[in-house]
Amino acid sequence: DTEVTQTPKHLVMGMTNKKSLKCEQHMGHRAMYWYKQKAKKPPELMFVYSYEKLSINESVPSRFSPECPNSSLLNLHLHALQPEDSALYLCASSPRGVAGVTDTQYFGPGTRLTVL
Amino acid sequence: GNSVTQMEGPVTLSEEAFLTINCTYTATGYPSLFWYVQYPGEGLQLLLKATKADDKGSNKGFEATYRKETTSFHLEKGSVQVSDSAVYFCALSEKTGANNLFFGTGTRLTVIP
Repeated sequence: DTEVTQTPKHLVMGMTNKKSLKCEQHMGHRAMYWYKQKAKKPPELMFVYSYEKLSINESVPSRFSPECPNSSLLNLHLHALQPEDSALYLCASSPRGVAGVTDTQYFGPGTRLTVL
Repeated sequence: GNSVTQMEGPVTLSEEAFLTINCTYTATGYPSLFWYVQYPGEGLQLLLKATKADDKGSNKGFEATYRKETTSFHLEKGSVQVSDSAVYFCALSEKTGANNLFFGTGTRLTVIP
């Protein structure tokens, strides 16, 4: 089973709200990723967690705060977002997440976020 | 640096037509190559992959061959169906660093009956 689940499917929030996106996988994968995808564009990497430690932060603004409570869960906490942050937020996981070893990323269905 | 170049879309084909979506790459090492598909309103699904030169990835009638000499990984299908309508992303991942995926810009395919 190569399933990554994401909740909620859709989210509408105001610029002063605080909300969280959730991602879960039960494949025993040790790396998890957050991507942002704008319309008609490829996904852009935001964060990478490897063995529950943040290993990559692609200069993402601090209004996005990732959290990896355990190896199966990945959260993205949102606060004081801007309308231009509206996008599809994709979570992915991969088995190993270790440099030097080919890994395959499996994506969830995404959360479509609208910031008003 | 690493980059992926895909043919510009959109591509419109009739059902049962032959499909080719071109993909070329630039990499500093020996990357793994992937094709992902994104159906309307959904996330990305892994379609196929190849991890070394001359490998052929295949799935659901799609195939692509890792050509090191031409740095290419073109996607082909002999007979497309309406259900193949989607956006296709070519991507690479280096083995020598973190497992970042470098995506092409995506090619939108529409298959008409």
